[in-house]
Amino acid sequence: GQQVMQIPQYQHVQEGEDFTTYCNSSTTLSNIQWYKQRPGGHPVFLIQLVKSGEVKKQKRLTFQFGEAKKNSSLHITATQTTDVGTYFCAGLISSGSARQLTFGSGTQLTVLP
Amino acid sequence: EPEVTQTPSHQVTQMGQEVILRCVPISNHLYFYWYRQILGQKVEFLVSFYNNEISEKSEIFDDQFSVERPDGSNFTLKIRSTKLEDSAMYFCASRFSDGPNQPQHFGDGTRLSIL
Repeated sequence: GQQVMQIPQYQHVQEGEDFTTYCNSSTTLSNIQWYKQRPGGHPVFLIQLVKSGEVKKQKRLTFQFGEAKKNSSLHITATQTTDVGTYFCAGLISSGSARQLTFGSGTQLTVLP
Repeated sequence: EPEVTQTPSHQVTQMGQEVILRCVPISNHLYFYWYRQILGQKVEFLVSFYNNEISEKSEIFDDQFSVERPDGSNFTLKIRSTKLEDSAMYFCASRFSDGPNQPQHFGDGTRLSIL
């Protein structure tokens, strides 16, 4: 089936270090969304990227969508302990009239003070 | 800020029993979704619902599953005869429209434990 792969699965960083998580899709995506899930919480929408090569920033977070619309990344500059959680990408895959949001496996970020 | 609310927060059910998970989407939202997340794993799409009918469903959403919007506010997921592997967190989500930059808002989830 259509897959959205995400790496790494886990990342431990020292507070102040940067962090990046990557997503790759086996098929072209209509858009890609990023979510953050705190331990025991629900996914919270962060952003949606639609255009090829799009780059969006939210304070210390930078989101990129690849030129081929098959990959994406989330980069956090100078991590803080409040960044702890699992970051999921979710790609909207269109197949004929069907559209389905497929989540990546997530990257669990731990920030050590 | 309006929220998606889900009840109960935790449901424990014997295998083979029916279970109904309830969701109240945000009031002016038109698109509704169910997802599940097995402990420690990724979020998996189950079904989307618009205009009182299913618009998409995944392979997971087999004949044991059904959804309903019985009135103007509730959106329910029914599992007819639960199996051990149905144990998971079930999230309901809603969004205002299908347009770009319209986020899905997730509820806090119902943890379903099948014994």
